Amino acid sequence: GAVVSQHPSRVICKSGTSVKIECRSLDFQATTMFWYRQFPKQSLMLMATSNEGSKATYEQGVEKDKFLINHASLTLSTLTVTSAHPEDSSFYICSARALAGGETGELFFGEGSRLTVL
Amino acid sequence: GQNIDQPTEMTATEGAIVQINCTYQTSGFNGLFWYQQHAGEAPTFLSYNVLDGLEEKGRFSSFLSRSKGYSYLLLKELQMKDSASYLCAVMDSNYQLIWGAGTKLIIKP
Repeated sequence: GAVVSQHPSRVICKSGTSVKIECRSLDFQATTMFWYRQFPKQSLMLMATSNEGSKATYEQGVEKDKFLINHASLTLSTLTVTSAHPEDSSFYICSARALAGGETGELFFGEGSRLTVL
Repeated sequence: GQNIDQPTEMTATEGAIVQINCTYQTSGFNGLFWYQQHAGEAPTFLSYNVLDGLEEKGRFSSFLSRSKGYSYLLLKELQMKDSASYLCAVMDSNYQLIWGAGTKLIIKP
């Protein structure tokens, strides 16, 4: 099946620094990528939807200036957590929808990135 | 509003059968997904239903009734490795996925 690679899988940073997480579709072109956040024992919370070449659409309550999303190509989207604080510590997961899959295409998930802000 | 309901936690015995239910109320319907998620890992795709009826895939089956806004995931011959959270998600009229909170399945020997 299709592969989505997310990097880094784990990152620890100091409060106030910025962290970039990459999401790559390795063997397909992804018109749309989604970024989720998941707190322990809770379901996925959609943060934003990014379409290649256009600005991301953020969900209500998600600060776009804090969580910068760039979808520069059909195979790469990045999430940058700026000026990270301990409350930003979470599990961040990306997913991608295949170009050929159409609107009902399956979502393929990255492995997730666990961010810990000290 | 849009809502997905599924039980928080279920317990079953190794070798048995378990059914995880999911009811939904969404703005439109473009399919229902079931995902498995082990602790600390990203979800993995299990099934997709867009038409009424039962889809069988090995030990796992998924059923959909659109008129009732209802689906279930059936797991047979349970194995210890099936201990995980099972997420129900519905794609709405805008092709956005609405996620349930997940059902934590505990398998006992």
